[in-house]
Amino acid sequence: AQSVTQLDSQVPVFEEAPVELRCNYSSSVSVYLFWYVQYPNQGLQLLLKYLSGSTLVESINGFEAEFNKSQTSFHLRKPSVHISDTAEYFCAVSDTGRRALTFGSGTRLQVQP
Amino acid sequence: DAGVIQSPRHEVTEMGQEVTLRCKPISGHDYLFWYRQTMMRGLELLIYFNNNVPIDDSGMPEDRFSAKMPNASFSTLKIQPSEPRDSAVYFCASRPRGDTEAFFGQGTRLTVV
Repeated sequence: AQSVTQLDSQVPVFEEAPVELRCNYSSSVSVYLFWYVQYPNQGLQLLLKYLSGSTLVESINGFEAEFNKSQTSFHLRKPSVHISDTAEYFCAVSDTGRRALTFGSGTRLQVQP
Repeated sequence: DAGVIQSPRHEVTEMGQEVTLRCKPISGHDYLFWYRQTMMRGLELLIYFNNNVPIDDSGMPEDRFSAKMPNASFSTLKIQPSEPRDSAVYFCASRPRGDTEAFFGQGTRLTVV
């Protein structure tokens, strides 16, 4: 079984400031890691994922996440946020058997002007 | 493709009534997932199907909940009888075989009064 911990339930940040959303996972087997984003009243959309290879993965809108196996972490970062990044962000894990995703509790990113 | 389609988007019902939530996955996707999202418990996996067969229903909270997938293009989640604590947003997601990304519908917001 896997579990995901997102320590920060809310992260307020000013526009153009950097941000880091933390994610730690627990698993006894190899895992795939994901970040999903949920805008208000919408479903979840995949932001980026780590399957294998390079531990640094990037999204098309400037987010990046680094897989750190020793620290069992997959923190999400962006060097400069925009108002439009305001949303809830979910870290998720699945075993490499590609079964269902287990989600963290989510972090609400609130970007202020 | 129109994506994963869920209906209704909103449902308000009285305690004790039967509620049926519907999902049409993306054509060609072999996996279908039902999740429930609440403030207290976050995103929980209820059940998932592979090729219309239920694989893991350990997340179904109790016998009042049931899910079916009579064919590759349709699934239902039924609650009978409904209770106020069932109030939540229910998401359906689908995923193609051999891929890792799950595509989510926009959810059904259920309110049981």
